[in-house]
Amino acid sequence: DAGVIQSPRHEVTEMGQEVTLRCKPISGHDYLFWYRQTMMRGLELLIYFNNNVPIDDSGMPEDRFSAKMPNASFSTLKIQPSEPRDSAVYFCASSGRDRPFEQFFGPGTRLTVL
Amino acid sequence: AQKVTQAQTEISVVEKEDVTLDCVYETRDTTYYLFWYKQPPSGELVFLIRRNSFDEQNEISGRYSWNFQKSTSSFNFTITASQVVDSAVYFCALSGGATNKLIFGTGTLLAVQP
Repeated sequence: DAGVIQSPRHEVTEMGQEVTLRCKPISGHDYLFWYRQTMMRGLELLIYFNNNVPIDDSGMPEDRFSAKMPNASFSTLKIQPSEPRDSAVYFCASSGRDRPFEQFFGPGTRLTVL
Repeated sequence: AQKVTQAQTEISVVEKEDVTLDCVYETRDTTYYLFWYKQPPSGELVFLIRRNSFDEQNEISGRYSWNFQKSTSSFNFTITASQVVDSAVYFCALSGGATNKLIFGTGTLLAVQP
């Protein structure tokens, strides 16, 4: 089975532009998580979904960030407008109902905002 | 509040040496899970182990072993006979209560010199 798939793997954009990151969880998994990794803050959870419903978005830094999960096999994380301080690696992870605490991570999207 | 502390920022060893990575956690939950993840230079996060709070048995997997001690709130990770391929950042993480949120430590960069 394929792992968690994220696209794009790298994104370079200019300040003020909209950025959309995409994630396809492992088939059959019903939990999906978005994390951000920076040198300053380390790995931090932004938001997570259960059965496509957002459960905890307390880690979303501000209103410029939004996440959606329109179906069980796709999620997006959108930043609008982007700022240089949003530069980071964004990871998506998923886990299944039978082992909800075991999260499998995608390869990450490295975002650079100039 | 939940917290994970990895006091060792960087460790450098010579190949074939044993090395222990320390992890101390804080939580008020009675049921919780502890994890170790490996992040090699390529950037992906690789799941290594999960341990629940009711299982204090130490675990060994090849050259890897984990020592969980509730009395000291520690979940240490030992690599025996280290190899260059073990060079990576290692993260300890905690999840507990009614949430699936992973709280990560700041990571330990392990450099294994040939």
